[in-house]
Amino acid sequence: EMQLVQSGAEVKKPGESLKISCKASGYKFTGDWVGWVRQMPGKGLEWMGIIFPADSDTRYSPSFQGQVTISADKSISTAYLQWSSLKASDTAIYYCARQSGGSPRGDGMDVWGQGTTVTVSS
Amino acid sequence: DIQMTQSPSSLSASVGDRVTITCRASQSVYSYLNWYQQKPGKVPKLLMFGASSLQKGVPSRFSGSGSGTDFTLTIISLQPEDFATYFCQQSYSTPYTFGPGTKVDVK
Repeated sequence: EMQLVQSGAEVKKPGESLKISCKASGYKFTGDWVGWVRQMPGKGLEWMGIIFPADSDTRYSPSFQGQVTISADKSISTAYLQWSSLKASDTAIYYCARQSGGSPRGDGMDVWGQGTTVTVSS
Repeated sequence: DIQMTQSPSSLSASVGDRVTITCRASQSVYSYLNWYQQKPGKVPKLLMFGASSLQKGVPSRFSGSGSGTDFTLTIISLQPEDFATYFCQQSYSTPYTFGPGTKVDVK
């Protein structure tokens, strides 16, 4: 069974750093792109960026470029999303998802992690 | 960035109704258009990709059409489990933007 399992909920203070993870299983991690999607409380879905774990080719949304870093460790089939200095406005649920089809355009995001809730509050 | 709009933003329907949701892109995305369903507190689920290809396991009452800038998602006979929010997403050009969503609730 194809799965993406994300790390647990986080509560952080403004200015702190954070790295959340997304571990893949049941498919060839290096064969598909993995994306990150933000959902702020009560809001819609925002595409943040994608990474191709085989070579770490990464594409960012301009809205998130410079605000987060997407990375992957293919040796442990895990993708990451990290912040160097969190803001209260980063409070959201963050999902990782597989972009199926082997290309960045792919065939939709077909396998999703369970989401990681990040709360940033002083 | 390619902007995605959806209409309506919400609709009320009854079980058995035919429901149509429209998604429009600010420029052509060819057929790189995906549809997702999200229920409250749940993870989004891929319904359609490539504008009209049904994701494996998704009931055939869902269908998608369109190309270029105008797309539709149709549910031919709404079932109780279909009350949810539906998002379109273009995957033609990064950032792969989502539409704002259409909430389908009980009439």
